[in-house]
Amino acid sequence: NAGVTQTPKFRVLKTGQSMTLLCAQDMNHEYMYWYRQDPGMGLRLIHYSVGEGTTAKGEVPDGYNVSRLKKQNFLLGLESAAPSQTSVYFCASSSFLEQYFGPGTRLTVT
Amino acid sequence: TQLLEQSPQFLSIQEGENLTVYCNSSSVFSSLQWYRQEPGEGPVLLVTVVTGGEVKKLKRLTFQFGDARKDSSLHITAAQPGDTGLYLCAVPTGNQFYFGTGTSLTVIP
Repeated sequence: NAGVTQTPKFRVLKTGQSMTLLCAQDMNHEYMYWYRQDPGMGLRLIHYSVGEGTTAKGEVPDGYNVSRLKKQNFLLGLESAAPSQTSVYFCASSSFLEQYFGPGTRLTVT
Repeated sequence: TQLLEQSPQFLSIQEGENLTVYCNSSSVFSSLQWYRQEPGEGPVLLVTVVTGGEVKKLKRLTFQFGDARKDSSLHITAAQPGDTGLYLCAVPTGNQFYFGTGTSLTVIP
């Protein structure tokens, strides 16, 4: 089992560009999450999904969109990247209370 | 305002020393989790505590949930370089998880 995978691992964008981060899990989990991690801020929830076809806003959703068309995939989109979105992005899936995290995507917006 | 406050923010100790890190809140929680995150990787769940006063041990790590279920501590005995990492507490609330800001631990050989 690969667990939770994220692509890409690194990305540099210019302000105003768009991109999509892909998260995939092979554990048949219903719940999936997108977080961002910034120095001194811990992990902050961007959006989450409680099942295929559902999405919901987390603590810091502005500037991001998500889709969950297939149970195993959760996509995070940035329509018009801003320097404030420079961060490390983590995807997670969960069964009950146990979250499993991917290795992260380091995004720099210049 | 942070839901969960962790202290200290940074800790650097020598191999073999003992240490305690804390996770505090003014809110009451039904459960609390501790994660460890190594550089360049995602967090990994260490333990979930659910009962006030509960103590759980994981090898040299001892986790305690406060009697009032508002705070928790993590004690490491005889720290090893492999314990180096970011320690995060988290609470599940509804369908979401809230994380503390973390304690960055460095164990010097």
